[in-house]
Amino acid sequence: AQSVTQLGSHVSVSEGALVLLRCNYSSSVPPYLFWYVQYPNQGLQLLLKYTSAATLVKGINGFEAEFKKSETSFHLTKPSAHMSDAAEYFCAVSGPGSSNTGKLIFGQGTTLQVKP
Amino acid sequence: DVKVTQSSRYLVKRTGEKVFLECVQDMDHENMFWYRQDPGLGLRLIYFSYDVKMKEKGDIPEGYSVSREKKERFSLILESASTNQTSMYLCASRTSGSTLETQYFGPGTRLLVL
Repeated sequence: AQSVTQLGSHVSVSEGALVLLRCNYSSSVPPYLFWYVQYPNQGLQLLLKYTSAATLVKGINGFEAEFKKSETSFHLTKPSAHMSDAAEYFCAVSGPGSSNTGKLIFGQGTTLQVKP
Repeated sequence: DVKVTQSSRYLVKRTGEKVFLECVQDMDHENMFWYRQDPGLGLRLIYFSYDVKMKEKGDIPEGYSVSREKKERFSLILESASTNQTSMYLCASRTSGSTLETQYFGPGTRLLVL
C-alpha cells in the first residue's frame, strides 16, 4: 500500500537560509510523487512532480526535489528562503488505481516558518 | 487558468443540520474530489467522482454523501452534521487519463459545527 511520511510538522529557517523539507514514501509500484504548497487561507497548488524522466525535479518559485529510490525519499529544497515561502507544504504519492482515478495520498504536512 | 470555486469560505452550522458544500470547476474535468484537512493529519479523501453520476468512497466516507449531476459540479452533503465534522473542506478536480495530471484545488470551506 502507498503511504507518505513527512518528517517534521514545523520547520523554521532564517530568511536566506537553505530550506529542506523531508518526505519519505512507501509504494508497491513505481511511484509518482508530488509536492503541493498551501499559502494562508488558500487552496493547494502544485509545486512540482516526479515523472520518472529525471530524478532532480525543478518546480516553481525556486524549489526543487530529488527522487532517491534507494532511500525512498523525495525531499524538497530551496537554496535561499524568502519570507513569501512561509506556508504549509504537502508531499503526496499516487494512490492505488490512480491511472484511472487520479487518487493521491497526502502526507501530514509541514509548516514552514521564515524568520527575518 | 483552471478555476475551482467553492460556495462558501466559512460556514457555521448546528449539530443535526443538513449541510451542503458546493464545488464548481470550469475546465471540463472528469475527476473531482472532496478532502478534509485537519492539523497533523494532512488531507484525507472523503469521496471522489470519476464522471457524472459516478462516485466512489475515499478513506473517510462515514457521515458524508456526494452528488454529481453535472460534470462541472460536485456536492458534498453532511446528512446530520456533528461536531467532529468541524474541519476545512477542500475540493479538487483534474482531467483523467494519466496519473501525472495535476489536481487543482479550490480555496476551501472552513466549517464549524456547534
